Formats: sequence, structure tokens, C-alpha cells
Amino acid sequence: DARVTQTPRHKVTEMGQEVTMRCQPILGHNTVFWYRQTMMQGLELLAYFRNRAPLDDSGMPKDRFSAEMPDATLATLKIQPSEPRDSAVYFCASGSSYNSPLHFGNGTRLTVT
Amino acid sequence: GDSVTQMEGPVTLSEEAFLTINCTYTATGYPSLFWYVQYPGEGLQLLLKATKADDKGSNKGFEATYRKETTSFHLEKGSVQVSDSAVYFCALTFGNQFYFGTGTSLTVIP
Repeated sequence: DARVTQTPRHKVTEMGQEVTMRCQPILGHNTVFWYRQTMMQGLELLAYFRNRAPLDDSGMPKDRFSAEMPDATLATLKIQPSEPRDSAVYFCASGSSYNSPLHFGNGTRLTVT
Repeated sequence: GDSVTQMEGPVTLSEEAFLTINCTYTATGYPSLFWYVQYPGEGLQLLLKATKADDKGSNKGFEATYRKETTSFHLEKGSVQVSDSAVYFCALTFGNQFYFGTGTSLTVIP
């Protein structure tokens, strides 16, 4: 079964440190989405890519977050510097075409102390 | 703009009870509609989908029908099990965009 792989599964870091989360989309998928999930805000869209090009990153705090796709098999989400309010579960999801479902990874649970 | 509104939870049911989780949508075009399920500690998993009006999606005893006239996609199951306890998300996609509901937590008690 093809699946989206996210690493690490858990990350605990101190405020001010850089955090990098990685995502391997399903082979052949050309859209990648990054979401953040918290109890208070629910599921929030941070950014999405199509054919590795960023189409929308309006959901990201630009001063500290950045998202890239260095190649078709890797998407990264970086936070620098991290803050306690960034504590959340970050999900990556990939999709294959218009109007097709997204496939989610199991997330990276980030705790910033 | 496009959006999804789903029933607020939490919902608590006894095993073998009937389940309905309401979902309505607003869309400018002809979206595809989905239900996702999230178990603790996991990502969202596609439960079922419907791509056009009057389509019925079904999986694992769950069903939902794409109703264009009422702009709805309600999730139903005739007899829930303890293992169905999870959070359920209604979603739509049109073009590049995805829109998710806020999620409905379901707890099934023996």
C-alpha cells in the first residue's frame, strides 16, 4: 500500500531552535499539502504545492515558517525560530489530480518548550 | 467561497445504534466530496468519496449520498461498533483547493 511518509513522528525542542519536518509524498502524486492540527484551531492549511511549485502559502507565518520541495520525492517544512505556540501536529498530504482525494501521513507531533 | 459545515460534536452512541453526521457544503462549481476518519495518533484516512450528484459513497458499512439539491453529504451507518470511535471530517475539493469541516468526534460505548 502506497503511503505518505513523515519524519520525525515526534519532536521535542526548545524555544528558539530550528525544526525541520520532512514528507515523502506518494510516488506519482503531484500535489502536496501541509496542515497543522491543534485542539483549539482544528485543521489549518499552511501551504500547498503543485508540481513542486508553491501555489499558496498564505496560511504560514512568513517570518518563521518556510516550505519547499527540493525534488518530487521530498517536501520540507521548517520553523526558525520555533516558539511554544508552534506546538501542534503537522500533517503532510499528497494527491494525484484535480478532484481526487488527499492521502495523509501520520503526522509529526511537535512540542516546543 | 467554497466551504464545508458539519455537525458539531461530540457524539456518544451505544453499540449498534444508528449514526448520522450531517455535512453541508457551499461550492461555486461541481466539487468532489469526501469523508475522512482520524483515529488517535494517526493521520486522516479516506473513508468514502462521491464525485458527482446522486453518487453514493460507501465503505465499512458507512454511506453518504451527494445531494446537489440540498448541498449535503451526510454520513450514515446503520449499526456502529466500539471500533468506529474516531473523529470524522467532511471535505470537498474543487480544482486545486481542499476544504475540511471542523471534525465530529464519535464515541461508541459498549
